[in-house]
Order: sequence, then structure tokens, then C-alpha cells
Amino acid sequence: DAGVIQSPRHEVTEMGQEVTLRCKPISGHDYLFWYRQTMMRGLELLIYFNNNVPIDDSGMPEDRFSAKMPNASFSTLKIQPSEPRDSAVYFCASSPDRVYEQYFGPGTRLTVT
Amino acid sequence: SQQGEEDPQALSIQEGENATMNCSYKTSINNLQWYRQNSGRGLVHLILIRSNEREKHSGRLRVTLDTSKKSSSLLITASRAADTASYFCATDGSGGSYIPTFGRGTSLIVHP
Repeated sequence: DAGVIQSPRHEVTEMGQEVTLRCKPISGHDYLFWYRQTMMRGLELLIYFNNNVPIDDSGMPEDRFSAKMPNASFSTLKIQPSEPRDSAVYFCASSPDRVYEQYFGPGTRLTVT
Repeated sequence: SQQGEEDPQALSIQEGENATMNCSYKTSINNLQWYRQNSGRGLVHLILIRSNEREKHSGRLRVTLDTSKKSSSLLITASRAADTASYFCATDGSGGSYIPTFGRGTSLIVHP
């Protein structure tokens, strides 16, 4: 397996624009997690899915953020409209079970100017 | 959910020396995990230790868990320059939520 795949790897956009981050989890993993990492706040869990169903989105900062998982092999995290404070590295991770190790993707570095 | 806190925040050592990082947490756990993150990369799982275990080894890594003190340590023996990375502990909550929560990490620099 190629591991967790994220795209794009880098995204630079202007404030107010819509941003869509994509993730392909490892095949057979039932759990998918979205994280945001910044120097100030560390690694924050935004939302996680189990069998494509969102289970806990309490970490989503505000209504500008939304996440979907239309099928077992694809998830998106959308920010609309984007703001400079959204600049961060966004990671997607998958796991065969919530108690097991998580496999992280390479991340998407988002810069909002 | 709780967040583990790693200590120290930064650690600088010479190649060949041992590196010890600590993680403290506030409430009881089911599992504790350690991850490594190289600069610009995603986190990589190193080791998972369950609440009923006291010590685990994996290669040059040794993890201990003291549930009475609510703390864990990660020891890297005979460090190498390639061990330079940030190390995170992730704790889950024993109240039913097994989803791990990550600390802020320890930044380790190993000088060749």
C-alpha cells in the first residue's frame, strides 16, 4: 500500500478563497482523522470518521470548516472562506481501529495570504 | 479528552548518547503511544503501551509507563543523527473515548 495520500502538498491562496484538501486513506482502515498543526496550538484533532460517518467534529474551529467522506477511499476538508489564521499544516491519518496506531499522510501546508 | 505534556520541550545531545523524553498526563488512560515527526513530514508511530504494561522495547527504543504517577518515558539508546526529530506522546481517555490526543512534543537534536 502507498500509505495515506494527501493532496495538494502545498497550497497558497488568498483570504476569502475556498480551499479543498484531499485525503486517500489506507485501504481497509475504518477510521480517518483530520488534524491541524501549528506552532502555537500543536496538533489538533479536527474531526474523525468511522466507516465514512463523522463521529466527532467538536474540533472543527468554526462553520467555515467542513469535512466529508463520500466513500471509504476518499475524504475532503474544505475551508470556505479561508482566513490567514487558517495557515497551518493539515494532516490526514487513518487507522484500522480507534485504539490502534494511526498512519499519517505527508500533510498539506496551507498558506492563506 | 486530555492532552499529554512532553518534557523537555527541546533536547540537544551528541551522537551515541542516550535521549530520554517524558510525558505526563492528568486522567487515567487505556493506552499511550509515542510518535516521531521528522521535519516537514507526517507523524510515524513508534510504540504503543497499554495501561496494564510497565515497559516495552522496540529496537533502540524503551518506553516505560507509571500509571500511579501518570507518566511515561521514551528512551532512545545510542542515538544517531537520524534520530533528530520531534517526539510526541498521545494519550487516550479511559472514559470510553479511545481517540488519542497528542501533546506538544519534544524536539530532539542529535549532533553528529
